[in-house]
Amino acid sequence: GENVEQHPSTLSVQEGDSAVIKCTYSDSASNYFPWYKQELGKRPQLIIDIRSNVGEKKDQRIAVTLNKTAKHFSLHITETQPEDSAVYFCAASRERGRRALTFGSGTRLQVQP
Amino acid sequence: DVKVTQSSRYLVKRTGEKVFLECVQDMDHENMFWYRQDPGLGLRLIYFSYDVKMKEKGDIPEGYSVSREKKERFSLILESASTNQTSMYLCASSSGGRNTEAFFGQGTRLTVV
Repeated sequence: GENVEQHPSTLSVQEGDSAVIKCTYSDSASNYFPWYKQELGKRPQLIIDIRSNVGEKKDQRIAVTLNKTAKHFSLHITETQPEDSAVYFCAASRERGRRALTFGSGTRLQVQP
Repeated sequence: DVKVTQSSRYLVKRTGEKVFLECVQDMDHENMFWYRQDPGLGLRLIYFSYDVKMKEKGDIPEGYSVSREKKERFSLILESASTNQTSMYLCASSSGGRNTEAFFGQGTRLTVV
């Protein structure tokens, strides 16, 4: 089955700096890669996703890149703000077969004001 | 606005008890999922269902079962609760097909004593 590894487990940045979180996956058939943000005490919510026919996607201050050959994808947050502090999870799923997301272990991002 | 509602926010049960966790979604979603969230381990898939009365094992199904008698409701059952099942349980749902956004419930913090 799919295995998703996520790094780093914790990340501390100064407000205004950029943050990068990286994930690798094992199943070459995976073709959907969402990112979820979970604020303290709240449920995970989708912030951005990318499909395998696209190499990069941006939405304001967040962007995701995908390298299918190397089987890794990354989340980039620019101009970080204190409200970006949360746990971020990457995930992967495939078009055929199991229709459920496999999640990484999560990254706790702390943005210092 | 998609709503996924879990019946309890906090539960305390005794070892050996049979435990029912209930999840209801109001968006007519075909797919429903149960995940377990533990620090450093991310979200791990217990069971999922893509149709009424259908169920599929996830990555950690041992000690759990599920029931989906109606499209909107997906129940997780701990047949005989054990202390290693103390965890945060998250229900999610998504629309039919694959590779669509998963919407999460608020979570149930289960403590088995």
